[in-house]
Amino acid sequence: AQRVTQPEKLLSVFKGAPVELKCNYSYSGSPELFWYVQYSRQRLQLLLRHISRESIKGFTADLNKGETSFHLKKPFAQEEDSAMYYCALSGRLTGGGNKLTFGTGTQLKVEL
Amino acid sequence: DADVTQTPRNRITKTGKRIMLECSQTKGHDRMYWYRQDPGLGLRLIYYSFDVKDINKGEISDGYSVSRQAQAKFSLSLESAIPNQTALYFCATSDGPPGELFFGEGSRLTVL
Repeated sequence: AQRVTQPEKLLSVFKGAPVELKCNYSYSGSPELFWYVQYSRQRLQLLLRHISRESIKGFTADLNKGETSFHLKKPFAQEEDSAMYYCALSGRLTGGGNKLTFGTGTQLKVEL
Repeated sequence: DADVTQTPRNRITKTGKRIMLECSQTKGHDRMYWYRQDPGLGLRLIYYSFDVKDINKGEISDGYSVSRQAQAKFSLSLESAIPNQTALYFCATSDGPPGELFFGEGSRLTVL
C-alpha cells in the first residue's frame, strides 16, 4: 500500500522567513514524488517533481529515501506563496499505469 | 487553450436523488480520473479510465458509477446521493509522465 503523510494542516510564516512543508511517504517500490499547489480560486496544478530536481518559484524538494521524506523548501517566503500544498506519490496500478496518492495537504499562510 | 471543464460547478441536492457530474477535456489525453476532496482528508481517487473501454475503481468507488462516453468525456454519477457524499469533486486528465495530472476547476456538491 502507498501512503503520503503531511503532518501539518496549517503552516504560518512571516514574509522573508524560510519555509519547510513536510511530507513523508510509505511505498514498497521505487517512489516518484510530486508537489501540487492550489492557489486561491485556482485549480490544482503541478508544482514540481523529484525526478527533475528543479527549482520552481524558488521551491525545491529533495527525496530522502532513508527518511522516506520529500519536504518542500523555500529560503524566503513571499506573500504569493500562500496556498494549499499537496504532496503526492505515484505508484503502479493493477493493469498498468500509475496511481497518484495525495497527502491531506498543508495550508501555507505567509504573513506580512 | 486546451482545458479540462467540469459541470456543474456547484450543485445542491437532496438525499436519494440521482446526480451526474460531467467532465470534458480538449487536451487529447487518454487517461481521465475522478477525485474527491474533503477537508483534512486530501484527494481520494474514485474512478479512473485509461481509454474508452477501460474503467477501473479507485479507493472509494462505493456509491459512485462512471461512464466514459468518448475520449474527451468522463461522467461521474451518484445513483442515490447521501449527505456524506457532500464534497468537492475533481476531474483530472493525464497523458505522459506519471504523476502529472491536469485538473478541472472542481464541482462542489452538497447533499441535504
